[in-house]
Amino acid sequence: DGGITQSPKYLFRKEGQNVTLSCEQNLNHDAMYWYRQDPGQGLRLIYYSQIVNDFQKGDIAEGYSVSREKKESFPLTVTSAQKNPTAFYLCASSMGQGNGYTFGSGTRLTVV
Amino acid sequence: GENVEQHPSTLSVQEGDSAVIKCTYSDSASNYFPWYKQELGKRPQLIIDIRSNVGEKKDQRIAVTLNKTAKHFSLHITETQPEDSAVYFCAASNPPSSNTGKLIFGQGTTLQVKP
Repeated sequence: DGGITQSPKYLFRKEGQNVTLSCEQNLNHDAMYWYRQDPGQGLRLIYYSQIVNDFQKGDIAEGYSVSREKKESFPLTVTSAQKNPTAFYLCASSMGQGNGYTFGSGTRLTVV
Repeated sequence: GENVEQHPSTLSVQEGDSAVIKCTYSDSASNYFPWYKQELGKRPQLIIDIRSNVGEKKDQRIAVTLNKTAKHFSLHITETQPEDSAVYFCAASNPPSSNTGKLIFGQGTTLQVKP
């Protein structure tokens, strides 16, 4: 699916529950990113990783955690500390500095 | 750090007319400027990009222009069609010195093409 796959497409979370969103790419890209998009809004950076075993906080990292144990995978955990997690989550990858992103198809998370 | 401003936030045109979306950036060292199109509920997709050593680039009905002196770049869509209706995002790369590879996105423009 464009070389970068996000799952699940839809996810429902109960109050106080942690959930993990999957992002896998087979593009051999070094860099990976997580964005949050609220209805009618732009893209806000949560976390990014330029290389395996390394990642940095973006603009809205509170209540989220990530890992980068493999080049192909960059899962995002939405913790219970994130008080308003309902949003559309987009994962992206790139070859790094001066290159565009390839986006996944997104995960729509809803708190029930 | 880099900041990108995008205007207008909404744009409505008649089918067949042209549409222009403008972005300004703050860091003169930025060297890569992509444009993304996002249809409702779908992923953003790269439609055209330009690097700082080029002033203009065209691909069929879309073109991008870059003015490095003024630090602004624009997306031009000619002969618009209803399927051009979407949200368009501009972006600028963080300067090479930052070594982050991040893109800084504009706030988005919702384009509506009326049949």
